[in-house]
Amino acid sequence: AQSVTQLGSHVSVSEGALVLLRCNYSSSVPPYLFWYVQYPNQGLQLLLKYTSAATLVKGINDFEAEFKKSETSFHLTKPSAHMSDAAEYFCAVKQAAGNKLTFGGGTRVLVKP
Amino acid sequence: DAGVTQSPTHLIKTRGQHVTLRCSPISGHKSVSWYQQVLGQGPQFIFQYYEKEERGRGNFPDRFSARQFPNYSSELNVNALLLGDSALYLCASSLGLAGEIDTQYFGPGTRLTVL
Repeated sequence: AQSVTQLGSHVSVSEGALVLLRCNYSSSVPPYLFWYVQYPNQGLQLLLKYTSAATLVKGINDFEAEFKKSETSFHLTKPSAHMSDAAEYFCAVKQAAGNKLTFGGGTRVLVKP
Repeated sequence: DAGVTQSPTHLIKTRGQHVTLRCSPISGHKSVSWYQQVLGQGPQFIFQYYEKEERGRGNFPDRFSARQFPNYSSELNVNALLLGDSALYLCASSLGLAGEIDTQYFGPGTRLTVL
């Protein structure tokens, strides 16, 4: 069974500072990987996805993530945090067969002025 | 283009009642998946439907059921509601193409409160 671990349920960053959100997965075969963002009282919005085309994936709003097979990681970064980045972020994994997404527990980001 | 729509946005029920949640996928998408998100946790997969047939089921009791209609919209039904069913129910649609990375796009969710 596959699983996703997000280290740190809460992260606090200053506006303009680097955002780093950690995600590790367990899977018997290389999976597809996703990062979603959830703003308060809203659904999930896709930030980016890894589909084996390139290990460094760029997404919306200057977010990017790097797939490292040796570390089974897919960490999300943004060079400079903005107040509007305050939200909850979810890492998810999916196998090639089927449509089931398995999510991590989420990391809530607080941006301080 | 309109995104995934869900109705109602909020719902309050009492224990033992049943509830029906509705979802309309993005135009052209043939697959609908349902997820339950309990407060403070990540979403948990409940069902996937493609072309009106169930393609996947998560670890949920038989009180949960769903169906998909010819226009690809979907309903999630929950019977004999328990307090623990209080959650945000998310619908996601995707193209449902076999052998392709099938990105799911989520609706705003229905917030169910069971009293």
